[in-house]
Amino acid sequence: EVQLAESGGGLVQPGGSLRLSCTASGFSFSDFWMSWVRQAPGKGLEWVASLNQDGSGKYYVDSVKGRFTISRDNAKNSLYLQMNSLRAEDTAIFYCATDVVGGWAFDSWGQGALVTVSS
Amino acid sequence: IVMTQTPLSSPVTPGQPASISCRSSQSLVHSDGNTYLSWLQQRPGQPPRLLIYKISKRLSGVPDRFSGTGAGTDFTLKISRVEAEDVGVYYCMQATQFPLTFGGGTKVEI
Repeated sequence: EVQLAESGGGLVQPGGSLRLSCTASGFSFSDFWMSWVRQAPGKGLEWVASLNQDGSGKYYVDSVKGRFTISRDNAKNSLYLQMNSLRAEDTAIFYCATDVVGGWAFDSWGQGALVTVSS
Repeated sequence: IVMTQTPLSSPVTPGQPASISCRSSQSLVHSDGNTYLSWLQQRPGQPPRLLIYKISKRLSGVPDRFSGTGAGTDFTLKISRVEAEDVGVYYCMQATQFPLTFGGGTKVEI
């Protein structure tokens, strides 16, 4: 069974930094793209970033380019999201997601980590 | 690519059908010939759950009352007979090109 577990969320001041982690199990982590998707309170889903199997291909939504960095450690079955220069509008639940079925769709999701940016 | 869903909200009666439309601002046909359009369900307080991928392929374990149709820029999710557990918000998503984008969501309520 595929399992994804996010950690590292919390309260941070505007301009601050936070690093999210996602620990994966139940599948061959190094064989699959990994992504982050966020959801602001009471709002819809927004794709944030995706990373290919060996970490050489990274894609970001425009609103986080230059501030967020997605990375992975295949030896640790872990995905990361380093978030710098955080803004109030970054407040959201951040989900780790992957596509194991192979249809370029997010078939597996974690429970999410809440990031609150506020002074 | 902008994904537009209609309606925003859909009151339904258990046992009756429901339909959600999703339109993309440009064709979702990938250069490899596939169309990477998926549908997700999000129940209150839960992470999203994938229902349908590549327009019409139902994920294992998803009830067959859910079906997806469409092509190019116009897609539809149909629930043949709504059940109480189907309450939630439904999203379409395109993965044909980056940035990946979601529709704004359709709230299905009894």
